[in-house]
Amino acid sequence: DAKTTQPNSMESNEEEPVHLPCNHSTISGTDYIHWYRQLPSQGPEYVIHGLTSNVNNRMASLAIAEDRKSSTLILHRATLRDAAVYYCILRLDNYGQNFVFGPGTRLSVLP
Amino acid sequence: DADVTQTPRNRITKTGKRIMLECSQTKGHDRMYWYRQDPGLGLRLIYYSFDVKDINKGEISDGYSVSRQAQAKFSLSLESAIPNQTALYFCATSDGELRGYNEQFFGPGTRLTVL
Repeated sequence: DAKTTQPNSMESNEEEPVHLPCNHSTISGTDYIHWYRQLPSQGPEYVIHGLTSNVNNRMASLAIAEDRKSSTLILHRATLRDAAVYYCILRLDNYGQNFVFGPGTRLSVLP
Repeated sequence: DADVTQTPRNRITKTGKRIMLECSQTKGHDRMYWYRQDPGLGLRLIYYSFDVKDINKGEISDGYSVSRQAQAKFSLSLESAIPNQTALYFCATSDGELRGYNEQFFGPGTRLTVL
């Protein structure tokens, strides 16, 4: 699987937007970009995924670069509950979902 | 009630003991997974199963075995536990029959300490 690179940690103020970057320069044309997050003392949970076009859902937005070598997870208004480790994962298609979770980005939200 | 449950939630054991971690799900999913999490290393896949008759090794299967007793149950065994198997273990499920995105749903985790 192609490798992703994320910052180890980021900080945000409550109620401000947060942009979490992910670099995946070796992405293949059929790799989907997945984002999961892990709240403290919990298992990971799905956030969003996409292939080429930007995506929005109730939790976040995913902005994908035109060359697909990077993407950004956008939390429009950070809350204290959004403090978590965010994982960017590449996976071919929706099948054989043996994800490899890297260290992710630890997001701290300041009140 | 939680859709994916894991038992026990915490376990302390000694080197050489056999340990079984259990996972049950009420989501009706056919795919189940076992992951291990170590500090600073994210999650790594140990084993996965796409249905009752299907078992596959993941990235770090050495020292572990699994059993898929039924669609809803997937157990992870450590035949002879060693201290470097001390970690947080997560079970996950996904629906292989969906034509759309197959989101993985994770259990709450089992914290295992091997002394």
